[in-house]
Amino acid sequence: QKEVEQDPGPLSVPEGAIVSLNCTYSNSAFQYFMWYRQYSRKGPELLMYTYSSGNKEDGRFTAQVDKSSKYISLFIRDSQPSDSATYLCAMSVFSQGGADGLTFGKGTHLIIQP
Amino acid sequence: NAGVMQNPRHLVRRRGQEARLRCSPMKGHSHVYWYRQLPEEGLKFMVYLQKENIIDESGMPKERFSAEFPKEGPSILRIQQVVRGDSAAYFCASARTGATGDTQYFGPGTRLTVL
Repeated sequence: QKEVEQDPGPLSVPEGAIVSLNCTYSNSAFQYFMWYRQYSRKGPELLMYTYSSGNKEDGRFTAQVDKSSKYISLFIRDSQPSDSATYLCAMSVFSQGGADGLTFGKGTHLIIQP
Repeated sequence: NAGVMQNPRHLVRRRGQEARLRCSPMKGHSHVYWYRQLPEEGLKFMVYLQKENIIDESGMPKERFSAEFPKEGPSILRIQQVVRGDSAAYFCASARTGATGDTQYFGPGTRLTVL
């Protein structure tokens, strides 16, 4: 079993729809959770960063973390064609020694249809 | 404020040659991470460096791969005697403090093609 599971899609929705993207993880040591957006042939761009369980909102984006279920989600409201990209979840372990490398899901390819 | 810079953006090598990938972190950042993204795969952590120190190289292949981050200049990821399986996108990320949970910002990547 991979440490982080993410459905690669593609996920295709009409413009204006609410999009739900999800990841599950198996390592309970993960404490920090991030969502990155990656356009084709570009580097990942940080969208959301959360630590605690619960919801965090930033504009049209809401990140949700449920540590008891080892499940994280990203919701996109009023989706736009420009949101079409690959969305990567990423996690890191709480480490007294300092920051460690991130563990990524494979990414979900999202297509917003005009 | 310039972001993370990587060069070259595209690199073509024949089997057996060496590949050198460069990464300049964001201004004020002294922590660098290298990741590899194989086709249809997620990003995989390779190595974490601070100036003149390798902090964590648990994701680095044991042979042919090395990384450095000298006191002056960019971080270098070096691949010796490249093979076709090394073809991938290599991304560098930088962080300001390296503290637990510190945000990592990614560069545009170097796409390595091995012929």
